Amino acid sequence: AQRVTQPEKLLSVFKGAPVELKCNYSYSGSPELFWYVQYSRQRLQLLLRHISRESIKGFTADLNKGETSFHLKKPFAQEEDSAIYYCALSGSGYQKVTFGIGTKLQVIP
Amino acid sequence: EAGVTQFPSHSVIEKGQTVTLRCDPISGHDNLYWYRRVMGKEIKFLLHFVKESKQDESGMPNNRFLAERTGGTYSTLKVQPAELEDSGVYFCASSLTSGRYNEQFFGPGTRLTVL
Repeated sequence: AQRVTQPEKLLSVFKGAPVELKCNYSYSGSPELFWYVQYSRQRLQLLLRHISRESIKGFTADLNKGETSFHLKKPFAQEEDSAIYYCALSGSGYQKVTFGIGTKLQVIP
Repeated sequence: EAGVTQFPSHSVIEKGQTVTLRCDPISGHDNLYWYRRVMGKEIKFLLHFVKESKQDESGMPNNRFLAERTGGTYSTLKVQPAELEDSGVYFCASSLTSGRYNEQFFGPGTRLTVL
């Protein structure tokens, strides 16, 4: 069975501090890994995906197959980063997305 | 370009009643997905349409839920009769069937409350 685990429901950091949102997954095979974000009063949107190895809004995520992890990192948190972040995975093709429970990031001014 | 739209945004009904949720995907998106988030739980997959065909309905909780996508455009999700445990936020998402990645675009959700 495929599963995504986000151990922290709430993470509070001060502005300018580094951020790391943890994500571990279980999947038989090679999944596609994503981070979705939901800002206040906005819809869920894709932040980044592991295949493209991109940095979006200063966030990066490295896939560690050995540890089955896909942690999201940013060196210096900004107030506008406050949101709920969902780690997710999908099989190849156009399959369903399996989500973690989400981590609410609160950046304290 | 308009994104995925859902109607209504909120619905409050009594146990035993029927409710129909609607989703309009982004124009040209053949893939349409329904998801649900029950309070305190993960967002869970319900089903996936490719055009008008059900590709995967493994997440549908029981036969009180009926999803349709006539003509391969908008989709409806009907709950009949509604139970208390059906309360939650129902999300719709759509994506193209081309391109390397399955980027799903989400609607704002419909918050369903069953009393």
